[in-house]
Amino acid sequence: RKEVEQDPGPFNVPEGATVAFNCTYSNSASQSFFWYRQDCRKEPKLLMSVYSSGNEDGRFTAQLNRASQYISLLIRDSKLSDSATYLCVVNIMSGTSYGKLTFGQGTILTVHP
Amino acid sequence: DGGITQSPKYLFRKEGQNVTLSCEQNLNHDAMYWYRQDPGQGLRLIYYSHIVNDFQKGDIAEGYSVSREKKESFPLTVTSAQKNPTAFYLCASKTVSGTEAFFGQGTRLTVV
Repeated sequence: RKEVEQDPGPFNVPEGATVAFNCTYSNSASQSFFWYRQDCRKEPKLLMSVYSSGNEDGRFTAQLNRASQYISLLIRDSKLSDSATYLCVVNIMSGTSYGKLTFGQGTILTVHP
Repeated sequence: DGGITQSPKYLFRKEGQNVTLSCEQNLNHDAMYWYRQDPGQGLRLIYYSHIVNDFQKGDIAEGYSVSREKKESFPLTVTSAQKNPTAFYLCASKTVSGTEAFFGQGTRLTVV
């Protein structure tokens, strides 16, 4: 079983739609969680960290359920510019202070007019 | 400006040749990582290092080697033992606190 699993999609939604991505992780030693965005043929960039209490940044809302080992990302009022691959990232502690960043395979989102 | 730099952006090599990808950062980050990405796939961890002169194998280390002689530099060598080396290689760095990892722009390696 992969340490971090995502629904690869693709998700094709119209502008203005609300879309949700899910991610599960298998290692209970996972300490911190993130969503990254990757545009075509570019490097990933941090979209937002995910906190236990849930957090929101504009149109984006991230949730974490430690008991179920589940992370989600909700995008409201989708824009054309939201089209990208969304990567779920888990920092798994490996006996040091830094951990090992582990990525899901990514979920492709295409927002159309 | 601080950042993480990978070079070259594109690299072509003949099968059977070793090739070294450069990764340099001036962010004063202790931790550095190498990932490989294949088309339509996520990032898979090759090697990582948390301190100078020490590094750990990731999930797909076979056919690769690294060194960490300086805090700023973490070069990756793709050896002839790597069976399918054509891929997009990404280097990242971060601080100890486990917050944001910064990525270089990547190197696209094509082996012909």
